[in-house]
Amino acid sequence: GENVEQHPSTLSVQEGDSAVIKCTYSDSASNYFPWYKQELGKRPQLIIDIRSNVGEKKDQRIAVTLNKTAKHFSLHITETQPEDSAVYFCAASSGTYKYIFGTGTRLKVLA
Amino acid sequence: NAGVTQTPKFQVLKTGQSMTLQCAQDMNHEYMSWYRQDPGMGLRLIHYSVGAGITDQGEVPNGYNVSRSTTEDFPLRLLSAAPSQTSVYFCASSWTPNNEQFFGPGTRLTVL
Repeated sequence: GENVEQHPSTLSVQEGDSAVIKCTYSDSASNYFPWYKQELGKRPQLIIDIRSNVGEKKDQRIAVTLNKTAKHFSLHITETQPEDSAVYFCAASSGTYKYIFGTGTRLKVLA
Repeated sequence: NAGVTQTPKFQVLKTGQSMTLQCAQDMNHEYMSWYRQDPGMGLRLIHYSVGAGITDQGEVPNGYNVSRSTTEDFPLRLLSAAPSQTSVYFCASSWTPNNEQFFGPGTRLTVL
């Protein structure tokens, strides 16, 4: 079945450094790739998404890149701040209507 | 708009008991889904619906039933609770599977 692998599971960076989280998907029919942020005790919320007809998308300090050939996509956070500390999930949606999430990355930004 | 609401927020069950987790949305979304969240395992899809009267299984459907009689409501039923069903459950909705999903606040379920 469809699968989304996410790495690393935990990531610690110094404040001001960059953070990169990578995901790989298995279903070649996947065409929508969102990223969600979940703060402790809260619900997941969308931070950025990308569709299969685009290779890169930026929103201030956050960017996502997509390599359809390799079936992987990445989240890049620049100039990290303490409030970026959270769990980040990638997801992939395919034509089967299943929205499959990765296992999450716990990001810690050290002050 | 209230968005996506879930009840209850917390629930403790004994093994073998049944219960229904409620989910409602007021955004007229066609796509609704249920996830369970366990440490280190991310969000796993239990069941989903693409519209009233249409439901299908996700990754981990065993032990759960759903129905979708209206666009707004998508309840999740635990038929005979087991300790393995201890988890945090999230309901979500979106216009289509290829759009942002809006999550409810979650239900923390403990099965003893």
